[in-house]
Amino acid sequence: GAVVSQHPSRVICKSGTSVKIECRSLDFQATTMFWYRQFPKQSLMLMATSNEGSKATYEQGVEKDKFLINHASLTLSTLTVTSAHPEDSSFYICSARVQVYGYTFGSGTRLTVV
Amino acid sequence: AQKVTQAQTEISVVEKEDVTLDCVYETRDTTYYLFWYKQPPSGELVFLIRRNSFDEQNEISGRYSWNFQKSTSSFNFTITASQVVDSAVYFCAKAGTASKLTFGTGTRLQVTL
Repeated sequence: GAVVSQHPSRVICKSGTSVKIECRSLDFQATTMFWYRQFPKQSLMLMATSNEGSKATYEQGVEKDKFLINHASLTLSTLTVTSAHPEDSSFYICSARVQVYGYTFGSGTRLTVV
Repeated sequence: AQKVTQAQTEISVVEKEDVTLDCVYETRDTTYYLFWYKQPPSGELVFLIRRNSFDEQNEISGRYSWNFQKSTSSFNFTITASQVVDSAVYFCAKAGTASKLTFGTGTRLQVTL
């Protein structure tokens, strides 16, 4: 139980275009979703926290206008990287909180901007 | 920020050796949770263990064991009789009252034949 499905697993896009990443909770309701970014050989850094039906809370240094997060339903949260540039190339992974202090993770999206 | 420190960046061992991965954390929370995750080359995070701050009992699960010492703010992970399939990056993480997970920098474990 408590599975988060993340799509796409890989995406290559041209510089200047936007890319949307989806995370769906398959068998539970995800009231809170966390979005992380991981550069090669680095740790996971929290980008933002979203709660269903409200605006996302972004971590310091993360551009909210560039990384648009929508959590319009209890089973779907999306991250849109707008006007992507090569420096946005990274591994993006979502995580939902399950019960108290439990977490389940999506399988991640490897974004390459060319 | 309340940091999670994994001082070992990379560890290389020969199969069947035991290996311990260190984790030290900072916290101002009375109640918190500690985690270990495994990240194979595919990138997905594999949950290994969750431990709450009130439970200092060590835990063993097959070849894996964990040593939680609140007095030294450490939560170390030992793999006994390592195998090639154990090769991965291992992350220690902490969640406090804000419920956000803070990850350590990770330890890359390479197990060779």
